[in-house]
Amino acid sequence: SQKIEQNSEALNIQEGKTATLTCNYTNYSPAYLQWYRQDPGRGPVFLLLIRENEKEKRKERLKVTFDTTLKQSLFHITASQPADSATYLCALDIWGSQGNLIFGKGTKLSVKP
Amino acid sequence: IAGITQAPTSQILAAGRRMTLRCTQDMRHNAMYWYRQDLGLGLRLIHYSNTAGTTGKGEVPDGYSVSRANTDDFPLTLASAVPSQTSVYFCASSLDRGSDTQYFGPGTRLTVL
Repeated sequence: SQKIEQNSEALNIQEGKTATLTCNYTNYSPAYLQWYRQDPGRGPVFLLLIRENEKEKRKERLKVTFDTTLKQSLFHITASQPADSATYLCALDIWGSQGNLIFGKGTKLSVKP
Repeated sequence: IAGITQAPTSQILAAGRRMTLRCTQDMRHNAMYWYRQDLGLGLRLIHYSNTAGTTGKGEVPDGYSVSRANTDDFPLTLASAVPSQTSVYFCASSLDRGSDTQYFGPGTRLTVL
């Protein structure tokens, strides 16, 4: 069966360190993968998209990698800040799904000062 | 208004009652979606609409119906609510199906007793 897994439900790190979140998938052939941020009581907000033929994408302090052989995406936040504390969701678009996104359950990141 | 609005913000409903969750966007997006988010299960697609006048079933459509009479509005109806429909409901939109980014509303917290 098709499955998306985010490495852990919660990740605690110290301010200034790099946070690394993992998204693994099985039995999918995604056209692209997206990362969203969700704050408590709010809807998800789009952060980054990486396509199947791209290895890496950057945006300010954010970096996403996509390894279709390992079926894994890594999401990095460098020089993390307490304001980065949130739940981060990965989502896959599946070829032939007419644009449906399949979401992981999310990783709750806490950045401590 | 700018973006996506949802109403109500929260609702407590007796089992067996009919309820319509409202969603309006002003971005002239063609595609719209309804998700439910439950603890431990993540975001799951209920129904979607490619364009005004068309709708489709997502992963968990049972007990829900939608309509898309115009571009801006995409209401979700629970014909006879059951306690298992207690959840947070998010409406989202994207420029087209398969577009890069989905924009989410603030959510409706629904409790069915």
